[in-house]
Amino acid sequence: DVQMTQSPSSLSASLGDRVIITCQANQDISNYLTWYQQKPGKAPKLLIYDASNLETGVPSRFSGGGYGTTFTLTISGLQPEDLGTYYCQQHDNPPITFGPGTKVDLK
Amino acid sequence: QVQLVQSGADVKRPGASVKVSCEASGFTFTDFYIHWVRQAPGQGLEWMGRINSNSGDTLYAQKFEDRVIMTRDTSISTAYMELSSLKSDDTAMFYCARDVLGGGTVFDYWGQGTLVTVSS
Repeated sequence: DVQMTQSPSSLSASLGDRVIITCQANQDISNYLTWYQQKPGKAPKLLIYDASNLETGVPSRFSGGGYGTTFTLTISGLQPEDLGTYYCQQHDNPPITFGPGTKVDLK
Repeated sequence: QVQLVQSGADVKRPGASVKVSCEASGFTFTDFYIHWVRQAPGQGLEWMGRINSNSGDTLYAQKFEDRVIMTRDTSISTAYMELSSLKSDDTAMFYCARDVLGGGTVFDYWGQGTLVTVSS
């Protein structure tokens, strides 16, 4: 199975800050990497697919990058509605696996 | 509009089975896989498997393959996930999510989740 790790596991940031979350795979997954946001008590929401493609309706302050084994999710200008937990997910090889999550809250 | 509406919360005894439904609307059900994802309280997301809503073919995560069955009823655009031999650590929120056939495995719509509590 492809193992996914994320760093940091949690972070505290101020409104307007640039936030960067890193996701690593233990083998090459090309660009088969997706990012989701989850708020407490809610289902995950799709943000970025194929490592860098912004899902329709997602604010442009979200961006994704990377290829192979290392990927990033950047929030350029943190907003109150961005607080929650962010998960990466690979779909290069079944089983589909998720990273452990990065919790983002306010400093 | 696209919706995946799941059945309500359930409480089961250890050793029992639970069957969760996921009713689709607003899109052509048979053009999609339906996946199931488990989330234990305070924990991360765990993929359980998927069903091809057109053919009925399934693919299960090895961890669950001996006690999960995924089915669908195309006449009512509904997918089902049945998990047997429940244990207390199966207490979790279960989500269904869709993924277009022939595309990458990207979950663009999710159900609202079904909380299953396993307790004696």
